[in-house]
Amino acid sequence: EAEVAQSPRYKITEKSQAVAFWCDPISGHATLYWYRQILGQGPELLVQFQDESVVDDSQLPKDRFSAERLKGVDSTLKIQPAELGDSAMYLCASSLTSNTEAFFGQGTRLTVV
Amino acid sequence: AQTVTQSQPEMSVQEAETVTLSCTYDTSESDYYLFWYKQPPSRQMILVIRQEAYKQQNATENRFSVNFQKAAKSFSLKISDSQLGDAAMYFCAYENQGGKLIFGQGTELSVKP
Repeated sequence: EAEVAQSPRYKITEKSQAVAFWCDPISGHATLYWYRQILGQGPELLVQFQDESVVDDSQLPKDRFSAERLKGVDSTLKIQPAELGDSAMYLCASSLTSNTEAFFGQGTRLTVV
Repeated sequence: AQTVTQSQPEMSVQEAETVTLSCTYDTSESDYYLFWYKQPPSRQMILVIRQEAYKQQNATENRFSVNFQKAAKSFSLKISDSQLGDAAMYFCAYENQGGKLIFGQGTELSVKP
């Protein structure tokens, strides 16, 4: 069964260091989302791609976060420098097109120490 | 901006009983989509049920059904014949025509045997 793949599953990094997360969506899915989920809260949309183009990054802290999806397939989310408040689960999701079911990966649990 | 509110941080239900989870949203759009997602303790989000705003008929999926009140901007989830495996975080989500998918804060459902 096709799945959204994310790596790494867990990441511990020191504050002020750089960290990157990778997401491989389900093949053929044009829409890709990155969410940040703080424990006990709902996912917060960071960035949404349609193919290789950014559709929405209004909630992305652009001074330290960047996201790319160069060939419209897999995607990378980077944080530089990481801060203690960035500790959270980072979820990637993809959908065939907008307004269809979004499939989620298992997430990357980031701890900044 | 669209917002999604889940006013019940926690809910509890007896096995085999029925429970209703509440969700309200705010939008100025007329066409949109609403979803309920389930996030079990393993944290991979899965879709429970989907409702198109232009459809008056409430969506149903086996034991899961919704009560969609468009004028009131309300979208509640009813789980009938609750099972132990239904225990999870449940998130209400709104998606606009552009595909921007935003989530509520979640309701943690526990099922008592």
